[in-house]
Amino acid sequence: KQEVTQIPAALSVPEGENLVLNCSFTDSAIYNLQWFRQDPGKGLTSLLLIQSSQREQTSGRLNASLDKSSGRSTLYIAASQPGDSATYLCAVRGYAGGTSYGKLTFGQGTILTVHP
Amino acid sequence: SAVISQKPSRDICQRGTSLTIQCQVDSQVTMMFWYRQQPGQSLTLIATANQGSEATYESGFVIDKFPISRPNLTFSTLTVSNMSPEDSSIYLCSAVGTAEAFFGQGTRLTVV
Repeated sequence: KQEVTQIPAALSVPEGENLVLNCSFTDSAIYNLQWFRQDPGKGLTSLLLIQSSQREQTSGRLNASLDKSSGRSTLYIAASQPGDSATYLCAVRGYAGGTSYGKLTFGQGTILTVHP
Repeated sequence: SAVISQKPSRDICQRGTSLTIQCQVDSQVTMMFWYRQQPGQSLTLIATANQGSEATYESGFVIDKFPISRPNLTFSTLTVSNMSPEDSSIYLCSAVGTAEAFFGQGTRLTVV
């Protein structure tokens, strides 16, 4: 059974800092990995998708890396801003066979607070 | 990317009643899913919504409590039946097109 762990559980930083969020998973046979952002009481916004054959993806100030063999991914946020404050969730998708996708398994999330 | 419209966005319901949540995707997707997020927790998969057939439920979730329909490729409903305060959660619809998962804004359900 796939298990996903995110460290730290919470992080508070001053505006402008670069920061790293960590995600680890127990079964390296993954189809892909996604990082999401969730604002309080809201749905999830997809930030980055990394396919199992890829090492990293970048979008603006965000960079996500994937080391499938060691079961780790990191989300790097450059020059953090108060608007980045949210919960960040890591999710891995396994294989289901045929044309269907396996289910997403989520970590518990990292609550990020960026203060001015 | 896919845009998912979910409604209602929130509701307060009496125990013993049922609520149906609707999910509409703006493009054809291969798979649709329903998740539950209990207060302070991460997401738990309830079931995979299968087009034209019965949904596939995860361990701990049953059709009588969470009936799901998916009459076509872009629309699905989740009903929370015979509600109790323990059902108070955020319910989220998700769709997968070409491997990336997208989510609706969620339905915040409070059962009193």
